[in-house]
Amino acid sequence: DARVTQTPRHKVTEMGQEVTMRCQPILGHNTVFWYRQTMMQGLELLAYFRNRAPLDDSGMPKDRFSAEMPDATLATLKIQPSEPRDSAVYFCASGTRTGGTGELFFGEGSRLTVL
Amino acid sequence: AQSVTQLDSQVPVFEEAPVELRCNYSSSVSVYLFWYVQYPNQGLQLLLKYLSGSTLVESINGFEAEFNKSQTSFHLRKPSVHISDTAEYFCAVSTDTGRRALTFGSGTRLQVQP
Repeated sequence: DARVTQTPRHKVTEMGQEVTMRCQPILGHNTVFWYRQTMMQGLELLAYFRNRAPLDDSGMPKDRFSAEMPDATLATLKIQPSEPRDSAVYFCASGTRTGGTGELFFGEGSRLTVL
Repeated sequence: AQSVTQLDSQVPVFEEAPVELRCNYSSSVSVYLFWYVQYPNQGLQLLLKYLSGSTLVESINGFEAEFNKSQTSFHLRKPSVHISDTAEYFCAVSTDTGRRALTFGSGTRLQVQP
């Protein structure tokens, strides 16, 4: 059945290393969102795309985070260099429209631990 | 900008008892409201949503929520909970203007005890 696929599910890395998380949205969905979940901040929107174009990345620390959609089947979130405060669960979600009435379908998340 | 407040971080309840999870929102424009559920080690799943029309909306597993515009609330209720309802519940809001993405509340952990 159709679902959002995220890799890796778990990642442990050391401070300063580059981390890349990948997301395969549901086929036919043209909006992709990246959220970060932590105990302290809850769910924060990092960035989102429509038809592969970035619409809003104001929630993302620009100096170390970058998000791209090389093609319609792949979204990436990269952190370089990583820091311990980046430890969180990163969720990708896809849908068929931004804002308004659109339902979002979430992946199972990538749990990142930066030592 | 819109925001969502979930006042209760945890709600313990006994099986077969009723439950209400509270959600209040703030927005200067018309909103759409959602409840998502997250089971352990999983992503979020849509539980129910209010878009327009009837202010009372229901899910397939017995939950319901009522949109109250005057009180800016969208509380989630279930008359009789099951152990399997144990999860974290997120209220979310979106609009058709400005930042067109879901804004989530901080979540309420529902713990159903036998």
